[in-house]
Amino acid sequence: DAGITQSPRHKVTETGTPVTLRCHQTENHRYMYWYRQDPGHGLRLIHYSYGVKDTDKGEVSDGYSVSRSKTEDFLLTLESATSSQTSVYFCAISSPQGAHETQYFGPGTRLLVL
Amino acid sequence: KNEVEQSPQNLTAQEGEFITINCSYSVGISALHWLQQHPGGGIVSLFMLSSGKKKHGRLIATINIQEKHSSLHITASHPRDSAVYICAVRLGTSGSRLTFGEGTQLTVNP
Repeated sequence: DAGITQSPRHKVTETGTPVTLRCHQTENHRYMYWYRQDPGHGLRLIHYSYGVKDTDKGEVSDGYSVSRSKTEDFLLTLESATSSQTSVYFCAISSPQGAHETQYFGPGTRLLVL
Repeated sequence: KNEVEQSPQNLTAQEGEFITINCSYSVGISALHWLQQHPGGGIVSLFMLSSGKKKHGRLIATINIQEKHSSLHITASHPRDSAVYICAVRLGTSGSRLTFGEGTQLTVNP
């Protein structure tokens, strides 16, 4: 398994509070991604990073921000959590390999916003 | 309309049956992935295809670029194959980004 960890693995928080999720990799992969997974939807991209301090928005980025100050860490922040952000969050990593590129996924973080 | 459509959404089979899960996409792609998600949530990559067919153990994945369609087959299915199977495509213009189908929940009964 690719060395990807997510913390925390489970979190319960209240509406309006800030929340930060951490993704840590030991594989030195250049690309990192944050997804959310909800019933009735496929995995949806929140934000991604192509390198240190190089981030961009995905399809569901509203209400989320990210930072990548080191190759190994990609942080996802919910600036003011809402109940609609209750979800399972997955981090993924990859390296540019053209047609052979594969994404490796972290174990996921279950977030409940009350 | 989703760019990636999977069918069926749910599939129940008896142990030993041959299983097929389908994935159709509507745009040009550079690669297609099949992923497996077990209860407990971990997601692993099974196959990456840009043409033809790949086989790994009892799993076979095929892709028809002209018809924009891929299938995942499981031969001699086993209860441990019970999982969600997810199709994902790398669009021709999206670099490394993937677009995912909603997944197919497979349950194999003993």
